[in-house]
Amino acid sequence: EDKVVQSPLSLVVHEGDTVTLNCSYEVTNFRSLLWYKQEKKAPTFLFMLTSSGIEKKSGRLSSILDKKELFSILNITATQTGDSAIYRCAVRSGGGADGLTFGKGTHLIIQP
Amino acid sequence: NAGVTQTPKFRILKIGQSMTLQCTQDMNHNYMYWYRQDPGMGLKLIYYSVGAGITDKGEVPNGYNVSRSTTEDFPLRLELAAPSQTSVYFCASSNGALDYGYTFGSGTRLTVV
Repeated sequence: EDKVVQSPLSLVVHEGDTVTLNCSYEVTNFRSLLWYKQEKKAPTFLFMLTSSGIEKKSGRLSSILDKKELFSILNITATQTGDSAIYRCAVRSGGGADGLTFGKGTHLIIQP
Repeated sequence: NAGVTQTPKFRILKIGQSMTLQCTQDMNHNYMYWYRQDPGMGLKLIYYSVGAGITDKGEVPNGYNVSRSTTEDFPLRLELAAPSQTSVYFCASSNGALDYGYTFGSGTRLTVV
């Protein structure tokens, strides 16, 4: 059974801090790893990672994948209160479903 | 461009009632999915479809049915609602390409009492 584990489950920091969110996985036929930000409604897509060691960057957010050690990290620098959300990691496997296995998410709270 | 549209946004059902959650997308995506999200849990795949006329079970299909008569629409049917089906339901679509993330609808919050 495919498994995705995120840590920490919750994190409270102050504005301006840098945070690192972790995602480890065990899946058969790995295809890609995706990061989503979920505020009040549906998850919104952040990054898709398929190759090890190549950093993807968007503004203050960046992410990297390690396919040997089976994990990914999501970094957010100079955090702002608008970064408060649940960050979800999902892995897409090559199994028949072609769906995603989601982790439980990291609930990030940025305090002013 | 509407993306993925789900209706209704909220619904309360009595045990044993039936309903259909609607999902439509205007991006010409072949792949569509239904997920449920329970508090403190990751999203779990209920059913998916890789194209019109093709559907298959995901991780938690019991108590649900789907159909895909067109590329645009992927309704989810609950035949005999049970309290365990109280959840937030998300529909998603993708074009299946490796470098493309999924687009989610805004969700349907369903309560079964």
